[in-house]
Amino acid sequence: DAMVIQNPRYQVTQFGKPVTLSCSQTLNHNVMYWYQQKSSQAPKLLFHYYDKDFNNEADTPDNFQSRRPNTSFCFLDIRSPGLGDAAMYLCATSATSGAYNEQFFGPGTRLTVL
Amino acid sequence: DQQVKQNSPSLSVQEGRISILNCDYTNSMFDYFLWYKKYPAEGPTFLISISSIKDKNEDGRFTVFLNKSAKHLSLHIVPSQPGDSAVYFCAASGRAGSYQLTFGKGTKLSVIP
Repeated sequence: DAMVIQNPRYQVTQFGKPVTLSCSQTLNHNVMYWYQQKSSQAPKLLFHYYDKDFNNEADTPDNFQSRRPNTSFCFLDIRSPGLGDAAMYLCATSATSGAYNEQFFGPGTRLTVL
Repeated sequence: DQQVKQNSPSLSVQEGRISILNCDYTNSMFDYFLWYKKYPAEGPTFLISISSIKDKNEDGRFTVFLNKSAKHLSLHIVPSQPGDSAVYFCAASGRAGSYQLTFGKGTKLSVIP
């Protein structure tokens, strides 16, 4: 089945220790997104890639970076995690062939910062 | 400031009855609206959508109603089933081809057998 895969599902890191979350997709979608979702909050878009074109949201902290080496993979790097970065991180994809933006989500990676 | 609001954090409904989940938005540039359903330990999955040129879209037990003048949409589930118990997110998009969705905080629906 075509899908969006996120690894690991649970990640524990120490305050200030860099961490990388990964996302892969078999949908062959050209748009990929990273969202941050804190408890009882709405998912918040951090950035998205349209093919290799990177689009950062204005309020995304510099501490968050992303890489997309190819169509299938996208990485979220948190350079110096703080306690406030503990959250669920959701990866999503969408195709541009349709008129509207239905996004397909992975299961998420829950990040704990100690 | 929240542009998409789901003011009910939770809702409990008896099995077989109607579930109505509400969503309000403030940005008049939104022209496409989606509902996502999320089970614990899973990502959100797309449920149903509606374009601003329509006021109703139906898919099986799920119907979404849009009232543009009130900037309000609702999701109706009839009849409700225990498997519908999940968190439901309302999301809005600014224009066709826009890559950004703005989400509400979600409403947790519990369907009681």
